[in-house]
Amino acid sequence: QKEVEQNSGPLSVPEGAIASLNCTYSDRGSQSFFWYRQYSGKSPELIMFIYSNGDKEDGRFTAQLNKASQYVSLLIRDSQPSDSATYLCAVKRSAAGNNRKLIWGLGTSLAVNP
Amino acid sequence: DGGITQSPKYLFRKEGQNVTLSCEQNLNHDAMYWYRQDPGQGLRLIYYSQIVNDFQKGDIAEGYSVSREKKESFPLTVTSAQKNPTAFYLCASSVSLGRETQYFGPGTRLLVL
Repeated sequence: QKEVEQNSGPLSVPEGAIASLNCTYSDRGSQSFFWYRQYSGKSPELIMFIYSNGDKEDGRFTAQLNKASQYVSLLIRDSQPSDSATYLCAVKRSAAGNNRKLIWGLGTSLAVNP
Repeated sequence: DGGITQSPKYLFRKEGQNVTLSCEQNLNHDAMYWYRQDPGQGLRLIYYSQIVNDFQKGDIAEGYSVSREKKESFPLTVTSAQKNPTAFYLCASSVSLGRETQYFGPGTRLLVL
């Protein structure tokens, strides 16, 4: 089992719909969770991070964290064609010292159709 | 404007050649990272540095070397020992190792001639 798993997609949604992206992780003690967006040929850019159970909203984006079920999701409301990209989930391990690195999922490809 | 710069954007390596990728940041971040990204494999950590004159191997350090002589700079050398260097190389930084929000530079694409 990979430490961080994402459905590779592609996830296809119509413009204006809600896109739901999911990420599961194996380290139950993980503390910090990050969503990045990566356009083709470009570097990842941070969308948002979440530390506590529940929802965190930032504009059209909502991150949802459920530590008991070990998943974190990203909802994109009113999806736009410009949201078409690969979305990377990253999780910070609970281990101390040099093992406190980010573990990356492989990403979910999202296509928003006009 | 604060940010991370990487150069060059594209780099071509000949067989047996060492090449150096530049990464500079003016965010006053202590921690810096080098990742490699290949299609279908996601981001893999090559090296990271918590502070000047200190760096640690990541998951795939073989065939690579780094230095951290200045806080702002963390160059990566791809040596001839790296047999499959073709990839997208990403440099990132964060305030510190414990504060893991990482910000990325634009990347360098390395190709082998």
